[in-house]
Amino acid sequence: QVQLQESGPGLVKPSQTLSLTCTVSGGSISSGGYYWSWIRQHPGKGLEWIGYIYYSGSTYYNPSLKSRVTISVDTSKNQFSLKLSSVTAADTAVYYCARNRDAFDIWGQGTMVTVSS
Amino acid sequence: DIQMTQSPSSLSASVGDRVTITCQASQDISNYLNWYQQKPGKAPKLLIYDASNLETGVPSRFSGSGSGTDFTFTISSLQPEDIATYYCQQYDNLPRTFGQGTRLEIK
Repeated sequence: QVQLQESGPGLVKPSQTLSLTCTVSGGSISSGGYYWSWIRQHPGKGLEWIGYIYYSGSTYYNPSLKSRVTISVDTSKNQFSLKLSSVTAADTAVYYCARNRDAFDIWGQGTMVTVSS
Repeated sequence: DIQMTQSPSSLSASVGDRVTITCQASQDISNYLNWYQQKPGKAPKLLIYDASNLETGVPSRFSGSGSGTDFTFTISSLQPEDIATYYCQQYDNLPRTFGQGTRLEIK
């Protein structure tokens, strides 16, 4: 079955760029039919959808983060990635990658990213 | 953005109780609504899609209903393993948005 796994630094300094990768196993991003999303959850808070990418490279970003977000895909590695620039303490959160069509049906386990000097 | 408002924010119930959570959308979203369960330290899990369809493998004590702006999520007989936070999520429009969550505790 399809599984997703996030990876990347757990600590990022303010003003720097947060970079995370989601590796997909058990299925191919290139097979199409699904979007690949990033979602975050601030400590003790609810869920915020960051954006998604299709295997073709087309993207949609949440307008609340659009100016700082880039999502890319590497079909040869079966991975997609998130970059969030100019981070502040407000970007401290658990970051999840997820597969979706209409529903987010498969999620990674999540990775905690702390923004601190 | 479509705002999703859940109530209550928290709920305490006894094992065997019938539990109901509501979710209201700020505009008509037809039946484009999903429900998720999140246990502490875990990723959310899809329970209900298209407002009323049970995801494969999810126990039948979970159900959903509604359309338009008002939706309901029900656990027919609360079990100890159902302790979690529950979220609704709309997919009628981009950006996708979630309710603020309902934290369910055992009384």
